[in-house]
Amino acid sequence: DAMVIQNPRYQVTQFGKPVTLSCSQTLNHNVMYWYQQKSSQAPKLLFHYYDKDFNNEADTPDNFQSRRPNTSFCFLDIRSPGLGDAAMYLCATSRDFSRGDNEQFFGPGTRLTVL
Amino acid sequence: QKEVEQDPGPLSVPEGAIVSLNCTYSNSAFQYFMWYRQYSRKGPELLMYTYSSGNKEDGRFTAQVDKSSKYISLFIRDSQPSDSATYLCAPIGPYGQNFVFGPGTRLSVLP
Repeated sequence: DAMVIQNPRYQVTQFGKPVTLSCSQTLNHNVMYWYQQKSSQAPKLLFHYYDKDFNNEADTPDNFQSRRPNTSFCFLDIRSPGLGDAAMYLCATSRDFSRGDNEQFFGPGTRLTVL
Repeated sequence: QKEVEQDPGPLSVPEGAIVSLNCTYSNSAFQYFMWYRQYSRKGPELLMYTYSSGNKEDGRFTAQVDKSSKYISLFIRDSQPSDSATYLCAPIGPYGQNFVFGPGTRLSVLP
């Protein structure tokens, strides 16, 4: 089945120790998104890629970076995780932005714990 | 004022009840709206979308949009325990982009 896969499902890191979360898709979608979701809150968009075109949200901290080496894979790098970065990180894809193509397909998320 | 607001819940109803989930927004540029459902420890999944003011029905679900008052509703008829989830409204911008989600309403349907 075509899907969005996130690895690992659970990640524990230490305060200040860099961590990378990965996302892959078999949908061949143009757009990939990274969201941060804290308990009982809405998913908050960090950035998105339209193909190789990277778009950063204005309030995304510099501590968060992303890479998309090809259509299928996208990575979220947190350079120096703080306690406030503990959250669920959701990856999503959509075929495009146009009406009918902009449904987002989400992965199961990676829950990040910072010790 | 937040762009999108929802009653946070949790909302608890007995099985079979009619549920009304509401969402308000402030940005007139939003063109149409989606509802996503998120089960515990899962990513959201699209439930319904509406392109214009008025009602759209899909099985037990009805989405209602009133652009004049910037108010969106999702009605669930004959609610089931399997409907227990968080419901997120997601407005769509003028170019089709969906970058904002409401905070979600957590629903529990009790058997």
